[in-house]
Amino acid sequence: DAGVTQSPTHLIKTRGQQVTLRCSPKSGHDTVSWYQQALGQGPQFIFQYYEEEERQRGNFPDRFSGHQFPNYSSELNVNALLLGDSALYLCASSAWDRVNYGYTFGSGTRLTVV
Amino acid sequence: GEDVEQSLFLSVREGDSSVINCTYTDSSSTYLYWYKQEPGAGLQLLTYIFSNMDMKQDQRLTVLLNKKDKHLSLRIADTQTGDSAIYFCAGASSNTGKLIFGQGTTLQVKP
Repeated sequence: DAGVTQSPTHLIKTRGQQVTLRCSPKSGHDTVSWYQQALGQGPQFIFQYYEEEERQRGNFPDRFSGHQFPNYSSELNVNALLLGDSALYLCASSAWDRVNYGYTFGSGTRLTVV
Repeated sequence: GEDVEQSLFLSVREGDSSVINCTYTDSSSTYLYWYKQEPGAGLQLLTYIFSNMDMKQDQRLTVLLNKKDKHLSLRIADTQTGDSAIYFCAGASSNTGKLIFGQGTTLQVKP
């Protein structure tokens, strides 16, 4: 049983470009959250998706947007990339009725903006 | 506001017990978690505790919660070199699943 899978694993983009990161949740999970982890820091919550809708959002600008598909997979889009967007982007999944029991995290996408 | 604080570094000898501490400021944090992150990897959920509990034990792991002081600790018994990693404390309020993470404690286990 595959856990949370993210693609790509590494990505290098130029400042001002746009990027799309992808996530497939663990089998049986319907809720996906995205986190940004800067080097040496704890993860910061970006947003959460359930039933194809954004349910919660952290303190991130509108340049960060997302989508959830009917198969529960999700995308994170970042427009007008800044150098400060360089980070590890983590996707986490859970069942909506069991979110309090913790999320399963993927291995992340390492984004470098140059 | 929401904030979770952890000490940054802990070094122990193999076979000793490790205690990693965490303080959270949001009194509405009713769900508390410990995650482990190894180099180049994502986060692995180790254990969780709800605010109506004082202690939870799971094999070598013991979590203690002091609600009055908003203090959470993770004790790892018989620490092994494979336990070397960064440990994150995280809290969530209400039934949202939105996690607020601490900065992480790097655990170094010396042979």
